[in-house]
Amino acid sequence: EAQVTQNPRYLITVTGKKLTVTCSQNMNHEYMSWYRQDPGLGLRQIYYSMNVEVTDKGDVPEGYKVSRKEKRNFPLILESPSPNQTSLYFCASSPGAGTEAFFGQGTRLTVV
Amino acid sequence: DQQVKQNSPSLSVQEGRISILNCDYTNSMFDYFLWYKKYPAEGPTFLISISSIKDKNEDGRFTVFLNKSAKHLSLHIVPSQPGDSAVYFCAASSSGNTGKLIFGQGTTLQVKP
Repeated sequence: EAQVTQNPRYLITVTGKKLTVTCSQNMNHEYMSWYRQDPGLGLRQIYYSMNVEVTDKGDVPEGYKVSRKEKRNFPLILESPSPNQTSLYFCASSPGAGTEAFFGQGTRLTVV
Repeated sequence: DQQVKQNSPSLSVQEGRISILNCDYTNSMFDYFLWYKKYPAEGPTFLISISSIKDKNEDGRFTVFLNKSAKHLSLHIVPSQPGDSAVYFCAASSSGNTGKLIFGQGTTLQVKP
């Protein structure tokens, strides 16, 4: 089954404690991205990757890092989480930039 | 600067009637538009799309209309069913801008039995 898998689904952490949200896709897609969803703001892109070892900032990259060492994996790293990063996060993959994106089930992160 | 706007946060319709969800955009470089549907505790799922070279695309009960001069698109669901109750996001992309999808704020549709 074609899917995007992200873990964990739920996470509560404390300010400053580094965390990683994993994302993996099994569709051999080149384009992957991370979004955050906040009330009244829709989904905003954090980072994207057009291929292995190629990543770039989206609209709200501050406080986040990503890496793309393999085609299937695109982890999101919060080096020092802060309460304003409390949000619902989605990983997505697509065959190419701007085409239909497939989303993971989401990770609800709370930073206290 | 919200380039894609869904001005109606919510919409309620009766089962069997038409649901019309609206979306406006400001960037004339957008050339591909998509609608996503999202249930609680799930990720958005792709519903239907339209290229800027068309003004209508239909898939079963779902039809998307694009009015480029007005920078407006709409999603029609006919007939509406209770299972259509969800949050609907419109999104736009430009082939010349890294292909990033720009999303609207979402509209919550409730279809009453």
